[in-house]
Amino acid sequence: QQQVKQSPQSLIVQKGGISIINCAYENTAFDYFPWYQQFPGKGPALLIAIRPDVSEKKEGRFTISFNKSAKQFSLHIMDSQPGDSATYFCAASDGGTYKYIFGTGTRLKVLA
Amino acid sequence: DSGVTQTPKHLITATGQRVTLRCSPRSGDLSVYWYQQSLDQGLQFLIHYYNGEERAKGNILERFSAQQFPDLHSELNLSSLELGDSALYFCASSVGKGTEAFFGQGTRLTVV
Repeated sequence: QQQVKQSPQSLIVQKGGISIINCAYENTAFDYFPWYQQFPGKGPALLIAIRPDVSEKKEGRFTISFNKSAKQFSLHIMDSQPGDSATYFCAASDGGTYKYIFGTGTRLKVLA
Repeated sequence: DSGVTQTPKHLITATGQRVTLRCSPRSGDLSVYWYQQSLDQGLQFLIHYYNGEERAKGNILERFSAQQFPDLHSELNLSSLELGDSALYFCASSVGKGTEAFFGQGTRLTVV
């Protein structure tokens, strides 16, 4: 129940295309859902985050879609660029405790 | 720069040894999380401290321990090291529960 399931494991997209990464959770106590971007040898960097009271949040080319009833959320990267090539992690946090659980990661490669 | 400082950046040690990893959280952050990331793997939650007290424990081995000091910096102690402990160890900090967590650049531990 504490897991966050992330898919796909890897993704190859053409430059200018849309990258979509999906995550699902079981614990309905989760109330904060961030996405992190990690480049090789670097720490994960917070990209964008959403709370369950909204269904979508957009920041630049990055959009989170949230489906509370399905317990799923996804990251959409519009107009994907080679510089977006990185590993993306979804996460979920339970504000009532201190758990901060990560998905298994998606390795994105954007072809020039 | 996330504002979270981890030292050392790299550490090479022999099996059976003990090492200490250090983390200084962002100014004002009371929460410190420790994660282990093995090669091409996800982020495994180890332990969480809030204002000096342990608040959550993940898949942390008994050979590993941590503490958070009054000045809020944290140390992760790894003892009786094994080859399988070779990994990136990340520290993250946040203001409190269910809020943005910011990661340091990690300590790469190599056990030989």
